[in-house]
Amino acid sequence: EIVLTQSPGTLSLSPGERATLSCRASQSVSSSYLAWYQQKSGQAPRLLLYDASSRATGIPDRFSGSGSGTDFTLTISRLDPEDFAVYYCQQYGSSPRTFGQGTRVEI
Amino acid sequence: QVQLQESGPRLVKPSQTLSLTCTVSGASITSGAYYWSWIRQHPGKGLEWIGYIYYSGSTHYNPSLKSRLTISVDTSKNQFSLKLSSVTAADTAVYYCARDRSSWWFDPWGQGTLVTVSS
Repeated sequence: EIVLTQSPGTLSLSPGERATLSCRASQSVSSSYLAWYQQKSGQAPRLLLYDASSRATGIPDRFSGSGSGTDFTLTISRLDPEDFAVYYCQQYGSSPRTFGQGTRVEI
Repeated sequence: QVQLQESGPRLVKPSQTLSLTCTVSGASITSGAYYWSWIRQHPGKGLEWIGYIYYSGSTHYNPSLKSRLTISVDTSKNQFSLKLSSVTAADTAVYYCARDRSSWWFDPWGQGTLVTVSS
């Protein structure tokens, strides 16, 4: 199965700053079949992006994604206080679908 | 607006069977474009896809759990269910149900339910 490694484990930033989160796959993810989720404390994950760079319905344009092959990036252009959460990547290019271990974005 | 809600026992004894049901509202489970998945999250850890079911009854399971897993669907109640047998403490987790876009991404998710395996 494909192992996704996210870095850094924790990102300490301030509101208004730019956040760059990395997701690296142990083998190439076909067709950029990668999604990103946001999980706030005590809540279920929420879909942010799919196909590496397509925003889900209702997701603000400060969230963007890029990458292909084995290296993917989630960028939050200007952090809003509500963006402090844990972010997970997930690949759906091969079965079983797998998730990264998460990156915590904290103040 | 599609909503999913998990229900079932919160405490299961070791070696017994964990059973959960997911009730879907705001959409028909027979919508052809979607599968219906279970995902779990061990305390303080990452996420693990468990398996999915299509409204027709066809299933696909994570190989790591396949020998202990049964997912079923009840279209008349707009529900799908999870049964995981021979549980151990390692199965203690928050269990989520989610709408599964064609075996791709998950959206939306239920709120999740913590199931503890303990005697």
